[in-house]
Amino acid sequence: DGGITQSPKYLFRKEGQNVTLSCEQNLNHDAMYWYRQDPGQGLRLIYYSQIVNDFQKGDIAEGYSVSREKKESFPLTVTSAQKNPTAFYLCASTGAGVNQPQHFGDGTRLSIL
Amino acid sequence: ILNVEQSPQSLHVQEGDSTNFTCSFPSSNFYALHWYRWETAKSPEALFVMTLNGDEKKKGRISATLNTKEGYSYLYIKGSQPEDSATYLCAVSLIKAAGNKLTFGGGTRVLVKP
Repeated sequence: DGGITQSPKYLFRKEGQNVTLSCEQNLNHDAMYWYRQDPGQGLRLIYYSQIVNDFQKGDIAEGYSVSREKKESFPLTVTSAQKNPTAFYLCASTGAGVNQPQHFGDGTRLSIL
Repeated sequence: ILNVEQSPQSLHVQEGDSTNFTCSFPSSNFYALHWYRWETAKSPEALFVMTLNGDEKKKGRISATLNTKEGYSYLYIKGSQPEDSATYLCAVSLIKAAGNKLTFGGGTRVLVKP
């Protein structure tokens, strides 16, 4: 089945450590997105990529980095500069054409040790 | 920053009852509105994408309307069932938003009681 796979499901980070969240899709979608969800808040856009080797900052990019070396992969690194990384992270993708719905992975929950 | 608001934040519905809730957004530069259903331990699932003023969409017992002039959308659930329990998210994109960027509301959490 086509879909988006995020791993791991749960991740723990020590102070001062960088961690990378994986997002892979086999939907042949060009655009991919990373969102963060905090309790009681909506999804907030961290980074997005419309095409391989290109990506743009979203609303809350500080402390995060991404890469898009392959169409199917859009990993997110939470750096030590992100002072409040504990959150639920969702990856999404969307197909070509205007007004296409986004398809989501199951998410990764990141916690600080 | 685009502000998308959903109300109420949560609601309890008796099985068999119908319910509705709201998504509000600034009407200027509106391009599209998305509704998603997010069940616990699953990924959000697209319900509708709506663009035109007066648009109505239906999927089973769930329907949605859109008023772009006044900046709101209603989602209706007819004859609620326990499987309708989920968080319902709306999201809006603006004209010329790069990368089809969406701004999400905080969601309405629906709990259907048997």
